[in-house]
Amino acid sequence: SQKIEQNSEALNIQEGKTATLTCNYTNYSPAYLQWYRQDPGRGPVFLLLIRENEKEKRKERLKVTFDTTLKQSLFHITASQPADSATYLCALDNGQAGTALIFGKGTTLSVSS
Amino acid sequence: DTAVSQTPKYLVTQMGNDKSIKCEQNLGHDTMYWYKQDSKKFLKIMFSYNNKELIINETVPNRFSPKSPDKAHLNLHINSLELGDSAVYFCASSWTENEKLFFGSGTQLSVL
Repeated sequence: SQKIEQNSEALNIQEGKTATLTCNYTNYSPAYLQWYRQDPGRGPVFLLLIRENEKEKRKERLKVTFDTTLKQSLFHITASQPADSATYLCALDNGQAGTALIFGKGTTLSVSS
Repeated sequence: DTAVSQTPKYLVTQMGNDKSIKCEQNLGHDTMYWYKQDSKKFLKIMFSYNNKELIINETVPNRFSPKSPDKAHLNLHINSLELGDSAVYFCASSWTENEKLFFGSGTQLSVL
């Protein structure tokens, strides 16, 4: 069965460091991979989308890589700030009609000052 | 202006009751969804509608019935509520299928 794993449930880092979150998947062929941020008591908010033929995508301090051979995506936040503290969700989409995003359980990032 | 709004925010009810959650989006999107987030924070698709037509119906008990009166609204009705239905239910929308999702703020359902 399809499986998405985000490397750890929690990640603690110091302000200014780069946070790296991992998303691994098995038994799936995603056409797209998306990353979302979720704050407590709120709905997920879309951050970045990367396609299977793209290796890397950047947006301000965020960078996503996608390796379909390793079946893995890495999500980086550079120069992290306490305001980056949240849960980050990885989601896969096979691009076919009649299917929906499949989410990982998320990694909760805590950035301390 | 809230893009995807769902009501109520909190819903506390007794086992066996019937309840509804309403969702509206003002983004002009064609596709709307219901996701369930359980206590372990796992977000799982329940239903999806594209322009009022049901396109995804995951393995969900028949007690859950979605209704889309128009493409801006997707409501969720739950009959005979059970303890295991307690979760946070999120409505979401997207321009079409396979696009980024815009989520509502969630409805926390507690069944006592």
